[in-house]
Amino acid sequence: RKEVEQDPGPFNVPEGATVAFNCTYSNSASQSFFWYRQDCRKEPKLLMSVYSSGNEDGRFTAQLNRASQYISLLIRDSKLSDSATYLCVVNKRGSGNTPLVFGKGTRLSVIA
Amino acid sequence: GAGVSQSPRYKVAKRGQDVALRCDPISGHVSLFWYQQALGQGPEFLTYFQNEAQLDKSGLPSDRFFAERPEGSVSTLKIQRTQQEDSAVYLCASTLGGGSEQYFGPGTRLLVL
Repeated sequence: RKEVEQDPGPFNVPEGATVAFNCTYSNSASQSFFWYRQDCRKEPKLLMSVYSSGNEDGRFTAQLNRASQYISLLIRDSKLSDSATYLCVVNKRGSGNTPLVFGKGTRLSVIA
Repeated sequence: GAGVSQSPRYKVAKRGQDVALRCDPISGHVSLFWYQQALGQGPEFLTYFQNEAQLDKSGLPSDRFFAERPEGSVSTLKIQRTQQEDSAVYLCASTLGGGSEQYFGPGTRLLVL
């Protein structure tokens, strides 16, 4: 079983739609959680960190359920520019400066 | 300011050839990570350094892979006797430390024929 699992998609949604991505992780030692965005043939870039209390950044909301080892990302009012691959990421162990473990990514296409 | 840079951006190698990939982290960043991203997959951890010390090399797929960061700044990932399965994008990331954000370079796209 992979350490981080997420639905690869693709998710094809119209502009203005709300879309949700989910992922699960297997390593209970992970303490830091993130969503990264990766555009085609580009490097991953941090979209947002994910906290147990849930957090929101504009149209993006992330949730973490430690008991279920489940992370989600909600995108409201989708824009064409949101089209990308969204990577669910946890750190390998503990907190602080440790390697990241990535899911395969979920591809989103927002269509006009 | 300047981000993480990597060179070359593209490399085509014949099977059996040795290659060296370079990473220039953001100035002052203590930690440096190497990841390998195969087509259609997420990045996978290879190794990481804190200053010049290689703290974890558990992700290196074989003893053909070797990484160094002798002065705690620039790092080189070397692959000896390349195989077709080594074809991937090799990403370097750096961070200030203490759990702060990892910033990724643009990657080196390696194709082994």
